[in-house]
Amino acid sequence: QLQLQESGPGLVKPPETLSLTCSVSGGSIRTGSYYWAWIRQPPGKGLEWIGSIFYSESTYFNPSLKSRVTISVDTSKNQFSLELSSVTAADTAVYYCARHVLVGWDLVNFDSWGQGTLVTVSS
Amino acid sequence: QSVLTQPPSVSGAPGQRVTISCTGSSSNIGAGYGVHWYQQFPGTAPKLLIFANNNRPAGVPDRFSGSKSGTSASLAISGLQADDEADYYCQSYGSSLSGSVFGTGTKVIVL
Repeated sequence: QLQLQESGPGLVKPPETLSLTCSVSGGSIRTGSYYWAWIRQPPGKGLEWIGSIFYSESTYFNPSLKSRVTISVDTSKNQFSLELSSVTAADTAVYYCARHVLVGWDLVNFDSWGQGTLVTVSS
Repeated sequence: QSVLTQPPSVSGAPGQRVTISCTGSSSNIGAGYGVHWYQQFPGTAPKLLIFANNNRPAGVPDRFSGSKSGTSASLAISGLQADDEADYYCQSYGSSLSGSVFGTGTKVIVL
C-alpha cells in the first residue's frame, strides 16, 4: 500500500526558505502514470495546489506561487522535495504531499495523500 | 483565491439526502475538465471520494455520487450518517493559467 510521509522543520523565520521532503514507500516514484504534488492548507482555510513533478523532473506550478517555488525529485531515495522562498506569515499552513494522477496528457485528481505537516512562519 | 465556488455549509438530518454544488466557469469545469471530490475530517488529510465526475474509488460507499453539467458539478450524499460530518472539496483543472484548482470547501452538518 502506497504511503507518503512529509518531513521538515515546523518553524521557519521570515524571509527564509521553507524546505520539506516527501518520502514515498510501498511504490516507486519512477512511474509513468503519476506526478507527485505539494498542496497546502492554511489553518481554518481551504486547499491550495502548489505544484507537481514527474520522475523525469518535468514540473507544473501554481502561477501565483511559481516565482518562489522549487520542486525536485530524488529517484534513488524515492523522495521529492519542496522549497518555498521568501516566506511570510501567509505561508503558515499544513503542507501535504500527494500522488497526482496522469491520464494521457492531463493531470487529474490526487489519489493518495501524506498525513500533512504544519509549518509555522514566525520570527 | 479559489476559482471553484461551493456553499460554506449544508445540513441535513440522518437518513436525508444532501447535495453540494461546485460552480466554476468556461475555463475550468465548462471547458470539459473532470471534477473530483475529497472528504476531510478535522486534523486529517483529505481523502479522494469521487474522481472524473462520477467515479468512486474502491471502498467508497455508493451513498456518495457525483455529477457534472455545464460549468458546475455536484456531490450528493444519500442516507446521511453522523460520520459523514466533514469538510468536502471539489477540484478540477483551471487551464494553464491556474493549473489544478480546488473549491472553497463545504462543511456538512448532520443535525
